[in-house]
Amino acid sequence: ETGVTQTPRHLVMGMTNKKSLKCEQHLGHNAMYWYKQSAKKPLELMFVYNFKEQTENNSVPSRFSPECPNSSHLFLHLHTLQPEDSALYLCASSHPIGGTYNEQFFGPGTRLTVL
Amino acid sequence: AQSVTQLGSHVSVSEGALVLLRCNYSSSVPPYLFWYVQYPNQGLQLLLKYTTGATLVKGINGFEAEFKKSETSFHLTKPSAHMSDAAEYFCAVSSGTYKYIFGTGTRLKVLA
Repeated sequence: ETGVTQTPRHLVMGMTNKKSLKCEQHLGHNAMYWYKQSAKKPLELMFVYNFKEQTENNSVPSRFSPECPNSSHLFLHLHTLQPEDSALYLCASSHPIGGTYNEQFFGPGTRLTVL
Repeated sequence: AQSVTQLGSHVSVSEGALVLLRCNYSSSVPPYLFWYVQYPNQGLQLLLKYTTGATLVKGINGFEAEFKKSETSFHLTKPSAHMSDAAEYFCAVSSGTYKYIFGTGTRLKVLA
């Protein structure tokens, strides 16, 4: 595998379900990001991790719970979601925050549908 | 504060015609500017970026963009459209940190 991978690519879940999204980067980066992409809206930054430490939570509802066990893996745990949470969830990675600039490399995304 | 405006949510061009996708930004500090492309069912791929130096930036797949400070613009162009260019294009601005501000995207359609 190369670049940034995400699994599953598609997920349909009910509002009472619990599921997790997985992201893995093979680029040797130390910063990882979760974005939400909804139709006709700009990408929304949700969470940022730098060397496994969360550095940003962009006022995301608690029904979204991120986990970063190491610099290569990032999870997004989902529970009791709402239909408006249906979107494409993108993971990205970059060199550590605080460097010259942080070009971000994106995964293919997980298309989430909440019924 | 920073912001990005992409004029035209949908643009159609004929195959072989010039592609012009518009992006205007607002930034109180020297901006870092990016264009990303998103093909159906895929993530965002970096086309090109401007950080400092030469204002005309060349990217992949024959695309280029010019940073015009006086016009606060970073428009994306390609001399001759190809069917494979059909995708959604996103302009983004950063102050040099990890915080990117993305535009709402422009969907490019290429007509045969």
